[in-house]
Amino acid sequence: DTAVSQTPKYLVTQMGNDKSIKCEQNLGHDTMYWYKQDSKKFLKIMFSYNNKELIINETVPNRFSPKSPDKAHLNLHINSLELGDSAVYFCASSQDHKADQGSPLHFGNGTRLTVT
Amino acid sequence: DAKTTQPNSMESNEEEPVHLPCNHSTISGTDYIHWYRQLPSQGPEYVIHGLTSNVNNRMASLAIAEDRKSSTLILHRATLRDAAVYYCILRLYNTDKLIFGTGTRLQVFP
Repeated sequence: DTAVSQTPKYLVTQMGNDKSIKCEQNLGHDTMYWYKQDSKKFLKIMFSYNNKELIINETVPNRFSPKSPDKAHLNLHINSLELGDSAVYFCASSQDHKADQGSPLHFGNGTRLTVT
Repeated sequence: DAKTTQPNSMESNEEEPVHLPCNHSTISGTDYIHWYRQLPSQGPEYVIHGLTSNVNNRMASLAIAEDRKSSTLILHRATLRDAAVYYCILRLYNTDKLIFGTGTRLQVFP
């Protein structure tokens, strides 16, 4: 079974549209994240949630709204898509977010978003 | 945010050891050193982490300098599957943020 799964794998859409990316983890982890990897392959954290509570919001435009219906899911909704939103978006999870500095992050295989 | 410096790229032949260096001169006493790698078209994958002592696991070894201002990831016998971008990351104490740098692209030749 895939530990962290994202859907869809590829997403092509036009500017101005609203789209969502779904993420699920079956590892029983408490913390989930969204990372963005731009065209220069630079990975940057966007959000983290711990037990459905927002922990980190890294100055991401409010067009991006994460939603965590339960601790196994963290979906990313993007309104009014712009060309600059084109990137690969990675979901990740970890056992906990502060108590243990060694908790590794488990990443999904990414969603490649292309905005035309 | 704490910063790491790595060479942009390195090359190795298959079945040879590989030493991937990382400088982190601004590290504080409670920051953990983490290594992740990213294979083509995949998400980052955890490799190893440590605080002060050298660490070994089934994937690699991590050698940490005594002053903790640098570390080296050691792949004992490189395989073609080890070709990836390797990220050295400082995980700041009591935070869940991983700050990725630009990483080292490792090429492995048969």
